[in-house]
Amino acid sequence: GESVGLHLPTLSVQEGDNSIINCAYSNSASDYFIWYKQESGKGPQFIIDIRSNMDKRQGQRVTVLLNKTVKHLSLQIAATQPGDSAVYFCAESITGGGNKLTFGTGTQLKVEL
Amino acid sequence: GAVVSQHPSWVICKSGTSVKIECRSLDFQATTMFWYRQFPKQSLMLMATSNEGSKATYEQGVEKDKFLINHASLTLSTLTVTSAHPEDSSFYICSARGRGTSNEQFFGPGTRLTVL
Repeated sequence: GESVGLHLPTLSVQEGDNSIINCAYSNSASDYFIWYKQESGKGPQFIIDIRSNMDKRQGQRVTVLLNKTVKHLSLQIAATQPGDSAVYFCAESITGGGNKLTFGTGTQLKVEL
Repeated sequence: GAVVSQHPSWVICKSGTSVKIECRSLDFQATTMFWYRQFPKQSLMLMATSNEGSKATYEQGVEKDKFLINHASLTLSTLTVTSAHPEDSSFYICSARGRGTSNEQFFGPGTRLTVL
């Protein structure tokens, strides 16, 4: 079946560097994408979202890029901080499809001091 | 705004007993609530979707008679794990979506279930 997947299960970065977390999706009908941050023992926390009619969206220290041609999504975190250490999930959904989210496998981001 | 709570935050029970987990939207009306299960170091897997006042829709492979879902009001949904077994031990997370056209779901903090 179709799924959302990530290239890197673990990403280690130095504090202050930029982080890039990638996600590949296979459902071409998906038109809404979200990045979540999950700390250990907690529920997912919304970071940023993007709709398929956009290819880039910026938030505070974060940027999401969407490449529909190759079905690729990325999350860029600028000036990564220790508090950014967590597991990051991308999720996709189809508007009108019951708003169900399909989550990717997740990437563990470790920020080294 | 848009706060979702879960109770309890963790529970330990004996095999064969039933456990009820509550999911509440504290400051908005949740027309739809979703229940997810997450095993250690794995992703969230959608179990079921519940709309207020109607029966839940379960994902393929999820036993509806084992995982009873009730969405009796616009602020409360419950998940009951019946006759729990050790393999049901997991992190259960709910999310809620309010009225309107927004796709956004607001997640609860999760409930850690351990079945001995």
